[in-house]
Amino acid sequence: QIQLVQSGTEVKKPGASVTISCRTSGYTFTKYAISWVRQAPGQGLEWMGWISTYGGNTDYAQKLQGRVTMTTDTSTSTAYMELRSLTSDDTAIYSCARVKWGTGPAPNDYWGQGTLVTVSS
Amino acid sequence: DIQMTQSPSSLSASVGDRITITCQASQDIRVYLNWYQQKPGNAPKLLISDASHLETGVPSRFTGSGYGADFTFTISSLQPEDFATYYCQQYDKLPVTFGGGTRVEIK
Repeated sequence: QIQLVQSGTEVKKPGASVTISCRTSGYTFTKYAISWVRQAPGQGLEWMGWISTYGGNTDYAQKLQGRVTMTTDTSTSTAYMELRSLTSDDTAIYSCARVKWGTGPAPNDYWGQGTLVTVSS
Repeated sequence: DIQMTQSPSSLSASVGDRITITCQASQDIRVYLNWYQQKPGNAPKLLISDASHLETGVPSRFTGSGYGADFTFTISSLQPEDFATYYCQQYDKLPVTFGGGTRVEIK
């Protein structure tokens, strides 16, 4: 069965960086792009960007440009999202999600379980 | 960025009720509109893609319609497991944007 399994909870200090992994299984990794979405506590969904798992092309949300990097490791079918210069506004649950049609940012048919990132001094 | 205005933000309904949620885009997004269900502590679940395509395994009481800027999501007969938050998502233009969500609560 298709699974996206993310790395565990992170607690970071302001100014630090965090890297979240999203290990996939049950399908051919390079045939489906991955999007990243976050959700602040009690808030709605915010799209962060997406990465083509075939060529590595990326598109990021403008507000995160310069602070976010999405990468993949095709040998382990894993996607990564690094967010730098963290502030308390980055406290959220971060989720990876497979792109149903293979390319583009959406729709997202399978999701990871989410990774809570808390930024606090 | 394309703004997605979703309404209502919350509603109370009873089992068996028919409910409708609307999503209005700030510009034409053709059919590139998806609907998700999210339950507390869980990831979103894709219910409907491209405005009206019901995902495999999703009950037929869920329907979506619309084109351009105005979209509708309906549950024809609310079931206990349907109490959740629903989000619309446009992906016609980057950045992908979501509606603010509709929380469906038990009356």
